[in-house]
Amino acid sequence: QVQLQESGPGPVKPSQTLSLTCTVSGGSISSGSYYWSWIRQPAGKGLEWIGHIFSSGSTNYNPSLKSRVTISADTSKNQFSLDLTSVTAADTAVYYCARTAVGTLDYWGQGTLVTVSS
Amino acid sequence: EIVMTQSPATLSVSPGERATLSCRASQSVSRNLAWYQQKPGQAPRLLIYDASTRATGIPARFSGSGSGTEFTLTISSLQSEDFAVYYCQQYNNWSPVTFGGGTKVEIK
Repeated sequence: QVQLQESGPGPVKPSQTLSLTCTVSGGSISSGSYYWSWIRQPAGKGLEWIGHIFSSGSTNYNPSLKSRVTISADTSKNQFSLDLTSVTAADTAVYYCARTAVGTLDYWGQGTLVTVSS
Repeated sequence: EIVMTQSPATLSVSPGERATLSCRASQSVSRNLAWYQQKPGQAPRLLIYDASTRATGIPARFSGSGSGTEFTLTISSLQSEDFAVYYCQQYNNWSPVTFGGGTKVEIK
């Protein structure tokens, strides 16, 4: 059973960089079959896809966030990470990591709330 | 960007009744459409992919239909655990992958 767990340093101040890590167990992120994704959800609102990384290291980002987003992977630790620069209050949300199989998000982490506040 | 529009925003249904949720795409997504269920404080759960294929472990009372721009999720007989928010997602165009705004199914 694949499991994903988000982790991060907690609150972030405006203009700083939000950094999160997703640790995957029960499967290897090096497997050529899957993409590994980040999605976020502001409180009481819908889901926004941030981007994903493939086992080859290729990435694809939401154009609305592309200038501020980097997704990377550490295969030795079976982890992938999200960096979002120059954050504002609008980036406050629950951030989820998920496995993507042929476009569908079939396994999700429990989510982590990131608050941007001074 | 493909815009996904869900209706209604809220659906009030009695337990045991049928619920029909709609999702419309701003352009054709073929059958590259998934449905998710989200309960408060939980991550979304994949219900349906390829418009009509149930994900592993999903009860048969959940069914999906449609293609192109019009899709439907039907819950044949609502159980107490089915009251939740439901999202559709297109994956025909990955730049970006997009979700609908959600339909909340509440107890009538």
